[in-house]
Amino acid sequence: DAGITQSPRHKVTETGTPVTLRCHQTENHRYMYWYRQDPGHGLRLIHYSYGVKDTDKGEVSDGYSVSRSKTEDFLLTLESATSSQTSVYFCATSRDSGADTQYFGPGTRLTVL
Amino acid sequence: GQQLNQSPQSMFIQEGEDVSMNCTSSSIFNTWLWYKQDPGEGPVLLIALYKAGELTSNGRLTAQFGITRKDSFLNISASIPSDVGIYFCAGRTPATDSWGKLQFGAGTQVVVTP
Repeated sequence: DAGITQSPRHKVTETGTPVTLRCHQTENHRYMYWYRQDPGHGLRLIHYSYGVKDTDKGEVSDGYSVSRSKTEDFLLTLESATSSQTSVYFCATSRDSGADTQYFGPGTRLTVL
Repeated sequence: GQQLNQSPQSMFIQEGEDVSMNCTSSSIFNTWLWYKQDPGEGPVLLIALYKAGELTSNGRLTAQFGITRKDSFLNISASIPSDVGIYFCAGRTPATDSWGKLQFGAGTQVVVTP
């Protein structure tokens, strides 16, 4: 358990509105990740960060941006939400290396109407 | 895109039965992980495997890293009601351009009936 919290836990929004999801960790882990979970797809990586201000794209990054200004916080932004972005979003962290164990947060359920 | 095939998609078993599930990959992996997800929560790591042929247990759970490095198996013995949940396999390839990135299977939903 890496002391990971996500906010909000639930959100309903309308198509075209911007949305920001926050991940906060208390363990000083270097790596942070954003995944989305959809039925039949498992977890798919959106973006990840390997340090403050260092981020890279995952396999489903279109329509999403991220920022990491502090070690403990990793923000995921949907600039203009679409219905296809309705999903459950999970944040994860790993200690010092991308090869370390990933610990997951409790998730945020986002519904885009 | 996703390269992992996880089966079965779901299992309905009686309490006390053993459970087996597996994942196969089109790529060679250097790490296999098994996670469990309870409803409304994030995945929790159950077992990590780092070498081909490795067999690791965690209580009633046993997982194996396949010799070909393209598959892995998870067994749950003597299932109990709290084993209900979704089990995910995840793997990491040795390719440098995927360093740090896990690929996940679609999950196996386990339902345990008394």
